[in-house]
Amino acid sequence: AQKITQTQPGMFVQEKEAVTLDCTYDTSDPSYGLFWYKQPSSGEMIFLIYQGSYDQQNATEGRYSLNFQKARKSANLVISASQLGDSAMYFCAMREGINTDKLIFGTGTRLQVFP
Amino acid sequence: GAVVSQHPSWVICKSGTSVKIECRSLDFQATTMFWYRQFPKQSLMLMATSNEGSKATYEQGVEKDKFLINHASLTLSTLTVTSAHPEDSSFYICSARLFRDRAYNEQFFGPGTRLTVL
Repeated sequence: AQKITQTQPGMFVQEKEAVTLDCTYDTSDPSYGLFWYKQPSSGEMIFLIYQGSYDQQNATEGRYSLNFQKARKSANLVISASQLGDSAMYFCAMREGINTDKLIFGTGTRLQVFP
Repeated sequence: GAVVSQHPSWVICKSGTSVKIECRSLDFQATTMFWYRQFPKQSLMLMATSNEGSKATYEQGVEKDKFLINHASLTLSTLTVTSAHPEDSSFYICSARLFRDRAYNEQFFGPGTRLTVL
């Protein structure tokens, strides 16, 4: 079974609009962390936001927020007020357990922001 | 912020040769670094965990004799692809773990190295 599932291979959004990128995960470990990374065409991985399994509130970082629904095992990324520079691949990743730093990545979603 | 560099950014080599890729943490010390590979239009797959001063831990299915990892100092890890073949052509990305006073230990990624084996 896939540990991290991103069902949207590609998404389009108009500039200044909000967009939600989906991510579901599968783990039986009660302690885990969820990450979102952005990968522009240049290739580098840029950390966006983190949500811990015990965090009571949804994480927010500027225009990025994470819609964490623990019972549904989903951790969707919401980007508000999209900008042209947001066009990139977006990866959801999970750290499973507390004694590891290994990240398991999803297959990614390509976001295209148009004017 | 923490910066991780990789060198070279791209390399083309002939089949059968060996290629060394360097990963450096520029402004912090990293006892642990990670090596990933990414095939075109695919996700990152962890290859191995590089530990300073000890042997690397390889993921299942990754040949340790083919992908040699050395973490000689707190700021440098190297990945050597030995006897490279065309199927080794990929995008190799390293990351370094930075301990902060946060609930998570953040990984900072290098810019990646694109390897093409002819």
